[in-house]
Order: sequence, then C-alpha cells, then structure tokens
Amino acid sequence: AQKVTQAQTEISVVEKEDVTLDCVYETRDTTYYLFWYKQPPSGELVFLIRRNSFDEQNEISGRYSWNFQKSTSSFNFTITASQVVDSAVYFCALSEVDTGNQFYFGTGTSLTVIP
Amino acid sequence: DAGVTQSPTHLIKTRGQQVTLRCSPKSGHDTVSWYQQALGQGPQFIFQYYEEEERQRGNFPDRFSGHQFPNYSSELNVNALLLGDSALYLCASSLGPGATYEQYFGPGTRLTVT
Repeated sequence: AQKVTQAQTEISVVEKEDVTLDCVYETRDTTYYLFWYKQPPSGELVFLIRRNSFDEQNEISGRYSWNFQKSTSSFNFTITASQVVDSAVYFCALSEVDTGNQFYFGTGTSLTVIP
Repeated sequence: DAGVTQSPTHLIKTRGQQVTLRCSPKSGHDTVSWYQQALGQGPQFIFQYYEEEERQRGNFPDRFSGHQFPNYSSELNVNALLLGDSALYLCASSLGPGATYEQYFGPGTRLTVT
C-alpha cells in the first residue's frame, strides 16, 4: 500500500493564482515526520518544510503555507500568488520514527505556472 | 559551503555489468542515504549509512550494496545490472540518522542500462 498519496499528477495554473497541492499519508506510528520537497527541472530536490506528528500548527513562509490535519492524515501545501519560478514537481514525504526511520515519497505533483 | 555532490553525472552501462556511484555529503553531515528515482516517479529509499554501517534498508535486492568511508562520503554499488535499474540515483545527507533531520539532496547520477 502506498504510504504517501499525491492524487494530483499534474496541475496548471495561471500566474498569480493560488494553488493547493494535496498529500495524504498512511502510518500506524505515533511519531513521524512529514516533508515537502521541490524538484525543479534541474533535478535536485530542494527541502521546503518538515513537520513532526505532534505539531499540528499551520505554517506560513512567504507565499507558501502548509495545512497539517491528523484527523484526515493530510499535509497539504498551498502556494499563494503563484509565479513561473514555482513550476516544478513537488513531493510529499513521510518518515516513521517508531518503525524504522525510512523515508517514503509520494509520486509527486507536477505544477506548471503559465505566465 | 559545499552542498551534496555526486559523481558521475551520467553513466551508460550494459546489462550484467557493475556500476559504482559516489557521493560526498554536505559539510558537517555524517549520514548518507541513497534513493532510486525512476522516470515520473518519486524517490525510492535504498539504504542509509551512518558511522560506516548500513542502518536502514528499503526494499531493494542484495545486488544493491554500499559503503561509507571515514570522511562520511559514500558509494553505491549495483551488480548484475538490469534494464530496470535505469533511473536517477539520488544521494542525500543529513546531520544524523533517522527521521529527525531534514535531508539535503545532491543533483543525482543518471544511470542508463542498455
């Protein structure tokens, strides 16, 4: 079973629109971490955020914001006022602390921002 | 501050051959993880090295092996290459093992098996 599901394979938005990327995870661990990474066309994964399972506070960093809801096992990522430079593949990832510390990545959402 | 570096950038091998990929972690990091990323897919965890030992391993066959050196750099070895091993191989380093620390990724090595 997929531990991290990113149902949106591809999204296209027009510049300045807001966009939300969905991430649903599955774990039985009580202690785990969730991550978002950005992979631009150059290929190098860029770390965006880490959130542990005990901290459900939403976080905002500039145009980026994250909504963590344990009740629905979701960790969604919103880009406000999107820009062309936001075009990339975005990956959500899970690391389970109780059962082995492995990292599990979703299949990614390819975001295209149209000027 | 040098980030994670990997070599070579690209590699073409024939089925049945063996390959070695190299990774130097970010300065100050002592833990290295390896991932395989097939085209259009997310990275798949291969294994993680800390203190020169394999600490965690994903669902990969024994043809995939690794090594970590005293300077924390690491190698990934793949024996008896299959066409399905064609992928981008990513190395990531972190301040320690496990899930507590974020991982910093290198640019990857693109392996093509013909």
